[in-house]
Amino acid sequence: AQTVTQSQPEMSVQEAETVTLSCTYDTSENNYYLFWYKQPPSRQMILVIRQEAYKQQNATENRFSVNFQKAAKSFSLKISDSQLGDTAMYFCAFMKHELKDSNYQLIWGAGTKLIIKP
Amino acid sequence: SQTIHQWPATLVQPVGSPLSLECTVEGTSNPNLYWYRQAAGRGLQLLFYSIGIGQISSEVPQNLSASRPQDRQFILSSKKLLLSDSGFYLCAWTLPVGTGVTEAFFGQGTRLTVV
Repeated sequence: AQTVTQSQPEMSVQEAETVTLSCTYDTSENNYYLFWYKQPPSRQMILVIRQEAYKQQNATENRFSVNFQKAAKSFSLKISDSQLGDTAMYFCAFMKHELKDSNYQLIWGAGTKLIIKP
Repeated sequence: SQTIHQWPATLVQPVGSPLSLECTVEGTSNPNLYWYRQAAGRGLQLLFYSIGIGQISSEVPQNLSASRPQDRQFILSSKKLLLSDSGFYLCAWTLPVGTGVTEAFFGQGTRLTVV
């Protein structure tokens, strides 16, 4: 069974600093997707970034980028120039994808609480 | 554009009372629909998913049930709530497998407190 581990329950950085959130996963699958979701205090779950396992190039979205190490099964999120609005819970998620599957099932990490201090 | 509506936002119910949480999706057809539960400070646990009207799959045995009476409507129910049913419930949707779009989109959630 697939598992996702986020080893940092909570992190705190000063505004404008760079922060990296770690995520490791365990799977025997070759085709899959990885996601980082953000859940601010409003509790709305928002997609931050997505990575396809077959792509070697790391995904980037503005200030957010990932370091995807497939062999090490590691998928860390880097937030550059952090802003107060980045304060939230961040969840790493794994999605297995096979053509025979009828739906997408996400396996979630326990989350990292990120606090950006002014 | 697609939107997802989930209600109510908060709910306080006594033990033994029934439950009905509703989720509707607009702007898309034949979505896959999901109900998740999130315990405080934890990740999400998949409760049910549906790939079509009347087609429900349960991931964990529990006191809850789900129904999909219409293509874009997903309902989470219970006949008699337990204290352990308290939590934050999230509805989500994805496009069907094979469309190439894999992101899950979430409703705003329902905070359920059973007293």
